[in-house]
Amino acid sequence: DIQLTQSPSFLSASVGDRVTITCRASQGINSYLAWYQQKPGKAPKFLIYPASTLQSGGPSRFSGSGSGTEFTLTISSLQPEDFATYYCQQLSTYPLTFGGGTKVEIK
Amino acid sequence: EVLLVESGGGLVQPGRSLRLSCAASGFTFDDYAMHWVRQAPGKGLEWVSGIGWNSDAIGYAASVKGRFTISRDNAKNSLYLQMNSLRPEDTAFYYCARTTGKTGGYTDSWGQGALVTVSS
Repeated sequence: DIQLTQSPSFLSASVGDRVTITCRASQGINSYLAWYQQKPGKAPKFLIYPASTLQSGGPSRFSGSGSGTEFTLTISSLQPEDFATYYCQQLSTYPLTFGGGTKVEIK
Repeated sequence: EVLLVESGGGLVQPGRSLRLSCAASGFTFDDYAMHWVRQAPGKGLEWVSGIGWNSDAIGYAASVKGRFTISRDNAKNSLYLQMNSLRPEDTAFYYCARTTGKTGGYTDSWGQGALVTVSS
């Protein structure tokens, strides 16, 4: 099975900060990686797929990059509504897998 | 509007069985592969199982393989998850999720979740 390792698992940041989250795959997955945002008590919300394509209408401050085994999600200027937990998911091969999540909290 | 409504959750003893259902509406159900994703309280997301539009391309997480069975009835616009030999570590909210294609893709719609609690 393909393992996804997200780092950091937790980060504390301020509004306006640039934030980068990393997702590493245990084997190559080309660009078959999605990013989701989840807020407490809510279902996840799709952000980016494949690795660098922002969902239609999504805020341009979100961007993704990478291919193969290393991927990043960047928020260029953190906004109050961005405080949430972010997950990566590989869609290359069954069984699909999620990363462990990165919780972004207000400093 | 895409609507996914899970049912069948509840409290069950270890070793027993439970069947989750997901009623889909607002889209052409047999145009999409479907997944089950779970989340233990306060924990991260875990993909559980997926099924293609015509019930092919079925996959399971290692943690449930051999115990859980996914199925769908396109005539009834419904997705199912038969869960046998349940364990305490299966306790979680179970989400029905629609992908973006007939054989898979990322998830663009989620149900509200059904809570399964495995405890004696």
